[in-house]
Amino acid sequence: GAGVSQSPSNKVTEKGKDVELRCDPISGHTALYWYRQSLGQGLEFLIYFQGNSAPDKSGLPSDRFSAERTGGSVSTLTIQRTQQEDSAVYLCASSQSGQETQYFGPGTRLLVL
Amino acid sequence: AQSVAQPEDQVNVAEGNPLTVKCTYSVSGNPYLFWYVQYPNRGLQFLLKYITGDNLVKGSYGFEAEFNKSQTSFHLKKPSALVSDSALYFCAVRDMEKSSGDKLTFGTGTRLAVRP
Repeated sequence: GAGVSQSPSNKVTEKGKDVELRCDPISGHTALYWYRQSLGQGLEFLIYFQGNSAPDKSGLPSDRFSAERTGGSVSTLTIQRTQQEDSAVYLCASSQSGQETQYFGPGTRLLVL
Repeated sequence: AQSVAQPEDQVNVAEGNPLTVKCTYSVSGNPYLFWYVQYPNRGLQFLLKYITGDNLVKGSYGFEAEFNKSQTSFHLKKPSALVSDSALYFCAVRDMEKSSGDKLTFGTGTRLAVRP
């Protein structure tokens, strides 16, 4: 079946603008994760959704970052008033309930000018 | 808190030679351990994982990893490297303690370069 998909693949924006990044998880996967990969650094956890439970937002770096997951499927990560330090690759992953392995999408490369 | 260390930024090896990419971890409880590979401009691909059981885990593309609890290590190995194995490799850990959540903590990555 289809893997995790993300859109757009690339996004260039100006400092101060808002951006929305989309993730479509693998069908049937109840858990969805957002990570950020900055140049020269590893992957940084941002937020995690599991079914109807309250999301784990412990990794969000500031209140400019938010995410929602509608209908237990598609998720949108929103960054308000973007800053140059927000430039990174944003990766989404999903997993089945009770399964440990997370499967990653191709990422969205965000560049803030 | 959970953490992962990949002490080598880059590993260079000749094609046909064995390779090892090192990883050590720290968790409060027992670990779930993972290796992922990232090719240029691609997402992460799952290679293998250790959950429980046999300490030697076999995964995709001929890779394997050995869980060593006393040394808190999970080194990635392959008996004979291929040029096509050249990529960025990430080790990740998740604490089995539910209070830690289900998120993965990743190392900073090790770039593997296999020369012909």
